[in-house]
Amino acid sequence: DTGVSQDPRHKITKRGQNVTFRCDPISEHNRLYWYRQTLGQGPEFLTYFQNEAQLEKSRLLSDRFSAERPKGSFSTLEIQRTEQGDSAMYLCASSQRSGQGNSEAFFGQGTRLTVV
Amino acid sequence: AQTVTQSQPEMSVQEAETVTLSCTYDTSESDYYLFWYKQPPSRQMILVIRQEAYKQQNATENRFSVNFQKAAKSFSLKISDSQLGDAAMYFCAYRRGFTGANSKLTFGKGITLSVRP
Repeated sequence: DTGVSQDPRHKITKRGQNVTFRCDPISEHNRLYWYRQTLGQGPEFLTYFQNEAQLEKSRLLSDRFSAERPKGSFSTLEIQRTEQGDSAMYLCASSQRSGQGNSEAFFGQGTRLTVV
Repeated sequence: AQTVTQSQPEMSVQEAETVTLSCTYDTSESDYYLFWYKQPPSRQMILVIRQEAYKQQNATENRFSVNFQKAAKSFSLKISDSQLGDAAMYFCAYRRGFTGANSKLTFGKGITLSVRP
C-alpha cells in the first residue's frame, strides 16, 4: 500500500467554476477525513466518513461543498461555484477504528486549489 | 470546544543542537490524545510523536521527546541533535479519546522550524 493519495495535486480554476478532488485512503482504513489548510494556518476539519456514512460536517462546509464516499472506499470533495476564499490546500487523511481504539491518522499530500 | 495554541510562528536551531517547540491546549475532557505532526515543504504531514493523556510518562521517539504537563495543559516537543531534515512546519494537535467519537484532529497554527548548517 502506498499510503493516502490525492488527485490532482494542484488545481487552478476560475471563480464560479466547479471543482472535484479525489482521495484514495489506505485500503484497510474505515475512517476518512477532509481538512482545509490556508497559508500560515493549521489544518481545519471539514468532514469525516466512517465507511460510506458521512458522520459529521463542520460549519466551515458551506452548501457549495459536498463530499461523498461511495462504497466506503475512495472519497470525492466537490466545490461548486468556487470563490477566491476557497483557495487553500485540501488535505485528506484516513485512519482505522477498531475495538482497540483509533489508529493514527495518515495524511495525503493534499490538493492545492487556486481560484483566480 | 477544544483549542490548541502555538504562539511561536518561527524558530531556528543550529544543526546538532536541541530545540523545544511550545504548545498549549484547552479542553474540559479528561480522556484525549496529543500529537506533534511534521509537514515538510510540499510533502505530506507525518506523525512525529503522540501522548495519551492518561499516561504520566512523557513519550519519546528517538531524538524526539515531549514534556507533557497535564495540569498546565502544556505539551512541548524537544528535538535533540537537530538535523537538516528536521526543517519543516510542526503542528501540535489534539484528539478526543473516546473511541466512538469523531476522531478528528484539532490543530494549532504551526511553527516553522529552520535548521542552520
